[in-house]
Amino acid sequence: AQSVSQHNHHVILSEAASLELGCNYSYGGTVNLFWYVQYPGQHLQLLLKYFSGDPLVKGIKGFEAEFIKSKFSFNLRKPSVQWSDTAEYFCAVNAPYSSASKIIFGSGTRLSIRP
Amino acid sequence: DAGVTQSPTHLIKTRGQQVTLRCSPKSGHDTVSWYQQALGQGPQFIFQYYEEEERQRGNFPDRFSGHQFPNYSSELNVNALLLGDSALYLCASSLTSGGSRSYNEQFFGPGTRLTVL
Repeated sequence: AQSVSQHNHHVILSEAASLELGCNYSYGGTVNLFWYVQYPGQHLQLLLKYFSGDPLVKGIKGFEAEFIKSKFSFNLRKPSVQWSDTAEYFCAVNAPYSSASKIIFGSGTRLSIRP
Repeated sequence: DAGVTQSPTHLIKTRGQQVTLRCSPKSGHDTVSWYQQALGQGPQFIFQYYEEEERQRGNFPDRFSGHQFPNYSSELNVNALLLGDSALYLCASSLTSGGSRSYNEQFFGPGTRLTVL
């Protein structure tokens, strides 16, 4: 069965600190990988996605993620966080060749940034 | 261009009651997926509708049912509500392109917060 594990439930950082959120997935085949963000009181929105090709993908707001196939990982990184990055972050996976297939989400990591 | 809209925003029901939640997809989209997000958890896939039929279903009981209309809007119905059904219900819309590796992003609505007392 497909599953996504996010290692950190709550991460607290100071502004300008570097960020890395861990994500591992379990899926018997090729996958599409995603990071979603949910800012307080706002819609769930896509930060970045990986389909194929360069395993280092860049998203909005300075975020990037690296797909390491051998480790089944897709960690999210940002070199210098801002207070406005305070949000809930979800790693997710779905099956390719089915553009509207269900998305499997991790349980989320709450990121709190101290001003 | 309106994004995905959902109604109502909030809803309070009592155990045993039935509820209907509504979703209008983003303009041009033909596929609607529903997710349940319990407090402190990631969204869990309930089901997906395309061409007015349920195309995929997650691990939810038959108390959860849905419908898609010819204009692509959708409803989620939950019967015999339980306390554990309290959650944020998210609707996501997308365009089914059929057969390609490319992913058509699922756009999420703001959700309906359901509280069961």
